[in-house]
Amino acid sequence: LAKTTQPISMDSYEGQEVNITCSHNNIATNDYITWYQQFPSQGPRFIIQGYKTKVTNEVASLFIPADRKSSTLSLPRVSLSDTAVYYCLVGFHMDTGRRALTFGSGTRLQVQP
Amino acid sequence: DAMVIQNPRYQVTQFGKPVTLSCSQTLNHNVMYWYQQKSSQAPKLLFHYYDKDFNNEADTPDNFQSRRPNTSFCFLDIRSPGLGDAAMYLCATSRDEGPTPTEAFFGQGTRLTVV
Repeated sequence: LAKTTQPISMDSYEGQEVNITCSHNNIATNDYITWYQQFPSQGPRFIIQGYKTKVTNEVASLFIPADRKSSTLSLPRVSLSDTAVYYCLVGFHMDTGRRALTFGSGTRLQVQP
Repeated sequence: DAMVIQNPRYQVTQFGKPVTLSCSQTLNHNVMYWYQQKSSQAPKLLFHYYDKDFNNEADTPDNFQSRRPNTSFCFLDIRSPGLGDAAMYLCATSRDEGPTPTEAFFGQGTRLTVV
């Protein structure tokens, strides 16, 4: 299973763009990259998923370079409500050939006024 | 509308007294997961069901068991809770039928306190 490395924490101010990078050097050919957001005392919530290049949805963008050994979650113009822990997940495929969601350590984002 | 429902939200149990946490889903997803999350830590996968197939993580203690009587329901049984088992327990579901992973939906979690 691919191991992910993220910064432990990041600080930002309202209105700024925040980029959180995740390293996954041993990502497998068929692995996707998925990001989840978690607020205190709540279950994680899906943000975005991609395989290569760039993916954009209504809340975030995901940039994946050609070698796929890292990925960057981009949050445009963050607000106080974006203060949360962000998890990068890769390596869904287990030895059985089936998937399981395994979380890395996550990045705690603190947005200041 | 809640799609993954965990009951209860808060559970207090005595040291060594068996406890069961429940999870139900309205999404008809074939995969259900149980995670343990301790304070300031990432969720840790305990086991998951792929349809009726049970998959246990190698480091999940024997004290933890699970049942999935049908597609909609999944239970986490802790046979003899210890103080170290106090945590948030999260249930999640996903539909896994092809090569592309799909979004997983998480419940609100059950916070277990062991006294």
